Order: sequence, then structure tokens, then C-alpha cells
Amino acid sequence: EAQVTQNPRYLITVTGKKLTVTCSQNMNHEYMSWYRQDPGLGLRQIYYSMNVEVTDKGDVPEGYKVSRKEKRNFPLILESPSPNQTSLYFCASSLGPGFNSPLHFGNGTRLTVT
Amino acid sequence: AQSVTQLDSQVPVFEEAPVELRCNYSSSVSVYLFWYVQYPNQGLQLLLKYLSGSTLVKGINGFEAEFNKSQTSFHLRKPSVHISDTAEYFCARAFSGSARQLTFGSGTQLTVLP
Repeated sequence: EAQVTQNPRYLITVTGKKLTVTCSQNMNHEYMSWYRQDPGLGLRQIYYSMNVEVTDKGDVPEGYKVSRKEKRNFPLILESPSPNQTSLYFCASSLGPGFNSPLHFGNGTRLTVT
Repeated sequence: AQSVTQLDSQVPVFEEAPVELRCNYSSSVSVYLFWYVQYPNQGLQLLLKYLSGSTLVKGINGFEAEFNKSQTSFHLRKPSVHISDTAEYFCARAFSGSARQLTFGSGTQLTVLP
């Protein structure tokens, strides 16, 4: 089944403790992206990647890192999480950067930083 | 300034009634417009998109939207809703050639009442 898989679904951590949220897609998609969803703000893009070893900042990249060493994986790294990074995170992928191919979303990771 | 405005955060409607979810965007250049739906505990799914051509766009599940350039609007409509349409709906905008950088509105929670 074609899908975008995020892990974990739920994560509670403390301020300053490094964490990684994994994202994997099995559709051989070139484009991958991370969003955070906050009430009243919709989804905001954190980082995106056009292909292996090609990443770029979205609208809210501060406090986050990403890497794209393999086509299928696009982990989101929080080196020193803070409470304002408590949010619902979504990974998404598409065949290419153009809009003729739809974005496929994972089921989300709910992160709480205390 | 908000570049995608969803005018209603909550829309309750009775089953089998028509519904319109409003979306306005700010842009002076060519844009692509989208509607996504998010069911509880799931990622977003594409309902429909406007890239070019006919201003009336039909999507999945009986939804349609009309691109109105003069009013910078892209309202979503369905003539008769079902309980299963209860979900959060997001309008999104991208610029042509923007490498997949979607800007989302804040979302509209549609609740269909029996």
C-alpha cells in the first residue's frame, strides 16, 4: 500500500532533550516536506526537500533540522526542543515539485514539550 | 498579512443541506489553489485543485469550488452534505513555479448534524 509513515504518533518530552521524528514513503517520491499544525494557524511549512541531499527552509524553520540521505526517508530533528514546538507535525511527499501530482500526507505526530 | 483567509472557523449544517466554505486569497500574480480535507486523527487529503482552465473545479466526494479572480476567492461547495463529511477543511495557495510551497488557511471545521 502506498503510504507516508511517520513515527512516533505521540511523543512527550522535556525541554532540551534532542529528538527525531521519522518519515518514510514507499512511492519513490522526489519531493518531501514537513509541516506543523497549530490551532487557528493552519499548516505551516518547516522544511522541504526536492530530492536526495537537496533541502530548503520553509516558513518556520527555526529550531528544526532535516536531512535527506536517502530518497525514501526525511527525518525531522529537534536538537533542543522548547515548549513552543509543542504541535502536530505532518510529513508529506509527492512525485515531483509540480502541482499536477498530489501531496500524500502521513497521519501526524503529536509532540508535547514540557 | 494573511495570504489565505478562511472566513469561518466553524460551520454547523444539517444533513442533506447545502454548504459553502469560504476562502479568500491575497495575490497579484498567478496562483494555484487547493482544498484539502482532514478527518479526525488523519493527515490531509486533496479534495480538488485549480491550476488553470475552467474556473469551476470538481473534486472528490461531490465537492466543487469556483475560482473567482476578481474577488480573489475560491469557495468550496457541496449541494447536499452527509454525516461523513464532518471534518476540517483547509484552503491552500501556491504560486506557479514555487517549488511546492503551499500556504494554508487556518481551517474550517464542518460539522454535519443529523
